[in-house]
Amino acid sequence: AQSVTQLGSHVSVSEGALVLLRCNYSSSVPPYLFWYVQYPNQGLQLLLKYTTGATLVKGINGFEAEFKKSETSFHLTKPSAHMSDAAEYFCAVSRSGYSTLTFGKGTMLLVSP
Amino acid sequence: KAGVTQTPRYLIKTRGQQVTLSCSPISGHRSVSWYQQTPGQGLQFLFEYFSETQRNKGNFPGRFSGRQFSNSRSEMNVSTLELGDSALYLCASSSIGGPSDEQFFGPGTRLTVL
Repeated sequence: AQSVTQLGSHVSVSEGALVLLRCNYSSSVPPYLFWYVQYPNQGLQLLLKYTTGATLVKGINGFEAEFKKSETSFHLTKPSAHMSDAAEYFCAVSRSGYSTLTFGKGTMLLVSP
Repeated sequence: KAGVTQTPRYLIKTRGQQVTLSCSPISGHRSVSWYQQTPGQGLQFLFEYFSETQRNKGNFPGRFSGRQFSNSRSEMNVSTLELGDSALYLCASSSIGGPSDEQFFGPGTRLTVL
């Protein structure tokens, strides 16, 4: 069975500061990993995904994530936070043969001026 | 290209009633998945349809059912509503439903059960 753990239900940063959202997964087989963002009253939008190949993945809006197999982690980072980044972020995993996404509980990112 | 649309956006029902939610995927997408989002349980997978066949099912009671039509549009039905069914129901579509495919989400239907 797969599971995803996101450390911290809320993360607060100042505008211009580094954003780091943590995600650890457990999977018995090599996973596919995703980060989605959800703005209020909207559905989820894909930020980036890891399938195979390069372990550092670049996504939209300046976000990137690094797949670390030894640490079973897929943390999301952005060098400089912007007010518009305030939203809820979800880490998710799927595995070969299944399109089903297993989501973490989500991390609400708060950005202060 | 139009995104995933869900209707209605908001619904209020009472316990014991049934409800049907609709989802129109992105044109050309053949896989449609449904997720339930609640503050307590987070995002949970309900089921996935591909070419009118249910391909995967999550751990939900039989009161939750769905179907997919030949044009890939999908509906989900919840019978005998309970207070705990209050949630945001999200539909997602992808081209073939592969494990590495991006799933495109609709804005959701917010169901309130009184």
